[in-house]
Amino acid sequence: DTEVTQTPKHLVMGMTNKKSLKCEQHMGHRAMYWYKQKAKKPPELMFVYSYEKLSINESVPSRFSPECPNSSLLNLHLHALQPEDSALYLCASSQEPPGELFFGEGSRLTVL
Amino acid sequence: RKEVEQDPGPFNVPEGATVAFNCTYSNSASQSFFWYRQDCRKEPKLLMSVYSSGNEDGRFTAQLNRASQYISLLIRDSKLSDSATYLCVGILTGGGNKLTFGTGTQLKVEL
Repeated sequence: DTEVTQTPKHLVMGMTNKKSLKCEQHMGHRAMYWYKQKAKKPPELMFVYSYEKLSINESVPSRFSPECPNSSLLNLHLHALQPEDSALYLCASSQEPPGELFFGEGSRLTVL
Repeated sequence: RKEVEQDPGPFNVPEGATVAFNCTYSNSASQSFFWYRQDCRKEPKLLMSVYSSGNEDGRFTAQLNRASQYISLLIRDSKLSDSATYLCVGILTGGGNKLTFGTGTQLKVEL
C-alpha cells in the first residue's frame, strides 16, 4: 500500500482539453515531485517543490503547470497537450529535498 | 557520459541463481545512493539504501565503492518474484542536488 495517493489512475484527453492530476501525501514530507515515465525508460524529473515552493523546473513546456496548494497536496494542470505527452506521470515525496523517494502508483495519461 | 549508468540487460537467470548488477556514477562527490525496484506498469519502490559500509537485507546485498565510483546489488537465491527492473538512483552533488536515475536493469528469473 502506497502512502502517496494519485488520482486519476487513468486519464484520456484530447489535445484541446484541460485536465489536472492530483497527488496527496500524509507523511509530513517537505518535498514533492512530478516525474514523467515513458515505456522502458527511467522516470524523468519534471518539477520539485520544496517547502511548498517550486525549487526545480526541468525546462518543462508550459502546457504542464504545477501547483502546490499546501504541504500535502501537489497538482499538475494539463492544457493543450500533444500525443507525445502520453506517459505515466508519477508523483513522489521525500522527507527533505533531496532524499529517499516514496512514489504514488502513477496516473497513466493518454493524449489523443 | 550519463551521470548514472547501468547495463540495461535483460539478465535472464534460472531460479536459485545469484545475480549481480553494477551501476557507475560520474560525480565523485555524490552523496547517497538507492536501489529501487519497478514491476511492469507499476511505480518504483525502494529496495534498499546503499551505505559505504555495505548493507544486507535478506537475500539482497548492496555495496558502494567510492574509489571506483560504482554501486552494486547482489541477489542470492533468486525467486521468480524478483523479476523486475532495478533502478540505481544517486543524489549527485552539483546541478541542484537532484536524484538521478540510471536507465534500469531488467531481470528475468526463469524456472
